[in-house]
Amino acid sequence: SQQGEEDPQALSIQEGENATMNCSYKTSINNLQWYRQNSGRGLVHLILIRSNEREKHSGRLRVTLDTSKKSSSLLITASRAADTASYFCATDAAGSNYQLIWGAGTKLIIKP
Amino acid sequence: SQTIHQWPATLVQPVGSPLSLECTVEGTSNPNLYWYRQAAGRGLQLLFYSVGIGQISSEVPQNLSASRPQDRQFILSSKKLLLSDSGFYLCAWSVAAGNTEAFFGQGTRLTVV
Repeated sequence: SQQGEEDPQALSIQEGENATMNCSYKTSINNLQWYRQNSGRGLVHLILIRSNEREKHSGRLRVTLDTSKKSSSLLITASRAADTASYFCATDAAGSNYQLIWGAGTKLIIKP
Repeated sequence: SQTIHQWPATLVQPVGSPLSLECTVEGTSNPNLYWYRQAAGRGLQLLFYSVGIGQISSEVPQNLSASRPQDRQFILSSKKLLLSDSGFYLCAWSVAAGNTEAFFGQGTRLTVV
């Protein structure tokens, strides 16, 4: 069954604006990861946040984690056309036995 | 540095034909290896994972099988393809289960006709 659920399913914004994507999950986790996928390609790891962390930054990326609400958000600041991609969250649910459980993704389109 | 190779990038196969997709990892030893399938516009479904040579775990019943003949080689196979096997297949590896990032191959677009 699907653990992570991203919203929105699709997001279209102007270049230079900030993009926020959300992920909700259902069970206790050890960590949560965000990945990016360009069309027809493999996924690229962006950032991992552990269950005892609340916020993490990497360049223009900011990830928050609220374990009480079982949710995470990915913020991309000052978006660029090259940020156009699908973004997925994945959780390593406690007791999941080697699985990363994936959401359906948010398709982000940055308009020049 | 570690790299992962997955081929072919695209494949068109007739119904009933066999399948063999290969994935190899370089620059690391004893990786955890994974095969995923991704339906159009959807997330990833884990098909198989392996924590060592000859050790394969299947997550969903299906028309596919996997093998790990060498430490850094993971093969996805089918004896007879079905139309429903069409999809985007991704191989990935990680150092340890779930606590670290997964590294993905570029994927294989399989179309069964």
